[in-house]
Amino acid sequence: AQKITQTQPGMFVQEKEAVTLDCTYDTSDPSYGLFWYKQPSSGEMIFLIYQGSYDQQNATEGRYSLNFQKARKSANLVISASQLGDSAMYFCAMREKVGDDKIIFGKGTRLHILP
Amino acid sequence: ETGVTQTPRHLVMGMTNKKSLKCEQHLGHNAMYWYKQSAKKPLELMFVYNFKEQTENNSVPSRFSPECPNSSHLFLHLHTLQPEDSALYLCASSQVLRGEKLFFGSGTQLSVL
Repeated sequence: AQKITQTQPGMFVQEKEAVTLDCTYDTSDPSYGLFWYKQPSSGEMIFLIYQGSYDQQNATEGRYSLNFQKARKSANLVISASQLGDSAMYFCAMREKVGDDKIIFGKGTRLHILP
Repeated sequence: ETGVTQTPRHLVMGMTNKKSLKCEQHLGHNAMYWYKQSAKKPLELMFVYNFKEQTENNSVPSRFSPECPNSSHLFLHLHTLQPEDSALYLCASSQVLRGEKLFFGSGTQLSVL
């Protein structure tokens, strides 16, 4: 069964608009971590943001914020004021237990920012 | 610069060749990973080494053979590969006990002819 689900294979967004990339996850462990990575066409994986399951507040990193809804097992990435350089693949990932060495990824969402 | 270096960046090999991918991390991490990324599948976890011990082998065919001689170096030995093994192979490292994120290398783009 898929543990990380990203339902949007591709999205087109106008420059300067905000965009939300969806991610739902499945785990029975109470202690887990969620990550978002960006992969531009050059191929490198760039870490964006992290949310721990016990974190009281939603994580934020500059223009990136994570809309964490624990009861719904949802961890959507919000990018405010999108820029052309935000065009890339975006992956949601999960470490199922803190201290576990496995991190699994969703299928990704390809984001296109339109000028 | 993430502190994780992969070589080579590109590799073309025939199905009868033997080659190795190399990964080195300068971050003092205790875990190293191989992921495979092909065009039609999500990022697939292949192997995990934690304190030099293999803790994950995600049903990977034996034509892929990992080696972790110390906590800073990770190899992926390749032999008698198939064309469907053509993919981007990404190495990553992490400090597991602190639940840290993965730091990725730039990847090796492998083409099997």
